Amino acid sequence: GENVEQHPSTLSVQEGDSAVIKCTYSDSASNYFPWYKQELGKRPQLIIDIRSNVGEKKDQRIAVTLNKTAKHFSLHITETQPEDSAVYFCAARPGFQKLVFGTGTRLLVSP
Amino acid sequence: DGGITQSPKYLFRKEGQNVTLSCEQNLNHDAMYWYRQDPGQGLRLIYYSQIVNDFQKGDIAEGYSVSREKKESFPLTVTSAQKNPTAFYLCASISEYGTGELFFGEGSRLTVL
Repeated sequence: GENVEQHPSTLSVQEGDSAVIKCTYSDSASNYFPWYKQELGKRPQLIIDIRSNVGEKKDQRIAVTLNKTAKHFSLHITETQPEDSAVYFCAARPGFQKLVFGTGTRLLVSP
Repeated sequence: DGGITQSPKYLFRKEGQNVTLSCEQNLNHDAMYWYRQDPGQGLRLIYYSQIVNDFQKGDIAEGYSVSREKKESFPLTVTSAQKNPTAFYLCASISEYGTGELFFGEGSRLTVL
């Protein structure tokens, strides 16, 4: 089955710096790659997603890139702010509905 | 307001007791899921259901049971066979014909004493 690896497990940056989180997947049939943000004690919420027919997608300060050949995708956050501090999860979907999640990255943005 | 409601939010139980966590959605979604979240281990799939009266085991189904008698409801029972039940449990749903976004409930934190 699909396996998603996520790195790093923790990431500390200064406010205003960029942050990059990387994920790799194993199943070449995966065609949907979402990123979720989970603040402490709250539910995960979708922040951006990308489909396999697109190489890059941007939404204000966040962007996701996908390299299908290498089977990896990355989340880029520019001009980080303290409110970006949270746990971020990547995921891949090999079938239509069953997402497989990475283990999460705890991002800490220091003022 | 459409969404997913989980209850209770916090639950304490003694070892050896079965516990049922409630999950109700009014999004008219076909598929529903239960995930378990432990520190440093991400979200692991327990059970999922794509249609009423049908469900499949996820990656860590041992010690858990579910039912799907109604489209709106997908309760999870944590049985005494689950060796380490203390965790944060998240219910989620997805529309079969939607964008593919998985919507999560607020979660239930179970602590076994």
